[in-house]
Amino acid sequence: QKEVEQNSGPLSVPEGAIASLNCTYSDRGSQSFFWYRQYSGKSPELIMSIYSNGDKEDGRFTAQLNKASQYVSLLIRDSQPSDSATYLCAGRGYYGGATNKLIFGTGTLLAVQP
Amino acid sequence: GAVVSQHPSWVICKSGTSVKIECRSLDFQATTMFWYRQFPKQSLMLMATSNEGSKATYEQGVEKDKFLINHASLTLSTLTVTSAHPEDSSFYICSACLFLSSYNEQFFGPGTRLTVL
Repeated sequence: QKEVEQNSGPLSVPEGAIASLNCTYSDRGSQSFFWYRQYSGKSPELIMSIYSNGDKEDGRFTAQLNKASQYVSLLIRDSQPSDSATYLCAGRGYYGGATNKLIFGTGTLLAVQP
Repeated sequence: GAVVSQHPSWVICKSGTSVKIECRSLDFQATTMFWYRQFPKQSLMLMATSNEGSKATYEQGVEKDKFLINHASLTLSTLTVTSAHPEDSSFYICSACLFLSSYNEQFFGPGTRLTVL
């Protein structure tokens, strides 16, 4: 059973629109969540970290966490073609105790149309 | 800050040879590093957790004798693929853990693309 789930997409949005990426997780013990961006052929790049319920904003990016619903999201405002990539959601594993291992979703492919 | 490097960025080798990949944290000390493998159009697969000064912890199904990990210092971990075969061809990526906040964020190296002929 997958512990972090994402819609594989592709999610297609027009340039300038808001892209909304969603992720659910099954491990209630997970405390920290991360969004990574991965361009084709490249390694993942950390975009946002969040561990408190609510919103966290950084530039055009807003991460949202709802622990009661076990739901994490990433909003990208004013989407640009350069945002086209696969976005990976990850939760910090909790195996009877906090660990540093990340559990990754399979990623959502975002395509921003010019 | 939080820069992680890998060397080499790509390597082509003959079947049966061994390949060593280095992962370095350039501007911070990392007591914990991770090694991942990623096949085309698939997600990251964690292979092992590398802890400085101790044995690596391998994920289920990963052969520890084939994928040798050495974390000799706080800034360097190495992965050696022994007796590589074509099925080992993949994108190998390391990450290093930055223990500065509750997040303990992981930062990834640029990856090493291995092709075994």
